[in-house]
Amino acid sequence: DAGITQSPRHKVTETGTPVTLRCHQTENHRYMYWYRQDPGHGLRLIHYSYGVKDTDKGEVSDGYSVSRSKTEDFLLTLESATSSQTSVYFCAISEIAGGTTDTQYFGPGTRLTVL
Amino acid sequence: AQKVTQAQTEISVVEKEDVTLDCVYETRDTTYYLFWYKQPPSGELVFLIRRNSFDEQNEISGRYSWNFQKSTSSFNFTITASQVVDSAVYFCALYSGGGADGLTFGKGTHLIIQP
Repeated sequence: DAGITQSPRHKVTETGTPVTLRCHQTENHRYMYWYRQDPGHGLRLIHYSYGVKDTDKGEVSDGYSVSRSKTEDFLLTLESATSSQTSVYFCAISEIAGGTTDTQYFGPGTRLTVL
Repeated sequence: AQKVTQAQTEISVVEKEDVTLDCVYETRDTTYYLFWYKQPPSGELVFLIRRNSFDEQNEISGRYSWNFQKSTSSFNFTITASQVVDSAVYFCALYSGGGADGLTFGKGTHLIIQP
């Protein structure tokens, strides 16, 4: 199994509060991703990173920001959480991307509830 | 634009039956990769297979087999002699690198194997 951990695994918060989710990997992979999973939508890409301090937006990036100051950590921040951001968040890693691709391996997920 | 369609929302079969999960994809790129992931009730995402667009060979792994047909843009997944442990949500995903470097997922097929 790929060495990917996510923290916290579960979080309940209130509308308007900031929330930060952390993804940590021990594989030294270059690429990291944040997805959200919602019923009826499968998984959708929020943001991704192709190196330290290199990030870009995905399909559903509004309301989210990310940071990557070290290879092993990729943070997802909800500046002001809304109920529409209640979801399960998955982090993924891969070694190669952009033209060729390696497999993306996923972390265990974080269940976020915004009341 | 990329798109993955899993038309079967839910399938229920009796144990030991064979079952096929359909996946149809759309992409303008000539180089792309297709994936299947399994999400058991515990919630993690488990990688099953990756196939690139230049390799149309079908693949068999134990009771699992995959049929890739570029002519119909399909990448179907068959489980032979299904078992209760196969009960899960199965996702088909596409990567073509034409946009953000993430996977485009189908909405998933919930497979229920009844004893």
